[in-house]
Amino acid sequence: DGGITQSPKYLFRKEGQNVTLSCEQNLNHDAMYWYRQDPGQGLRLIYYSQIVNDFQKGDIAEGYSVSREKKESFPLTVTSAQKNPTAFYLCASTGGDTGELFFGEGSRLTVL
Amino acid sequence: KQEVTQIPAALSVPEGENLVLNCSFTDSAIYNLQWFRQDPGKGLTSLLLIQSSQREQTSGRLNASLDKSSGRSTLYIAASQPGDSATYLCAVSPDYGQNFVFGPGTRLSVLP
Repeated sequence: DGGITQSPKYLFRKEGQNVTLSCEQNLNHDAMYWYRQDPGQGLRLIYYSQIVNDFQKGDIAEGYSVSREKKESFPLTVTSAQKNPTAFYLCASTGGDTGELFFGEGSRLTVL
Repeated sequence: KQEVTQIPAALSVPEGENLVLNCSFTDSAIYNLQWFRQDPGKGLTSLLLIQSSQREQTSGRLNASLDKSSGRSTLYIAASQPGDSATYLCAVSPDYGQNFVFGPGTRLSVLP
């Protein structure tokens, strides 16, 4: 089945540590996105990539980094510079004739 | 800058009622408008996609309409069921493969 796989589902991190969230898609989509969701708030864009080896900052990119070495993969690193990293992180992709947006199941990061 | 709002923020209805969720956006230059459903702790599931040239889309008990000129979309849910209880979000994108801007969502509870 085609879809977007995020891992891990739950992640705990100590302050000062970097962590990397994985996002893999087998939909053959060109564009991929990372969003952050906090309780009571809408989705906010962290980074997006429209093509391999290229990506753009979103509204809240500070303290995050990404890479896009393969079409299928768009990992997100939450660095120690991110002041408030505890959140629900969602990866998405678009493609096909319509540009419909599809999401993975999300990764919940908790900083201890 | 595109802004998306959703009214109401929360809604509680008895099972069997028909209901309407509203989405408004400030910039009418959109490519797609998409409605999603989110269950607690889960990713977003795509419900309906309306391209800018379309006026409405239907899937089962769901019907979404789009009025670009007034910056509005509605999601109509017929004969609501307890399983429809979730948060419903709308999102718009300015062009194919570009970032989607999300509304804050409407939290729906359908009571048995």
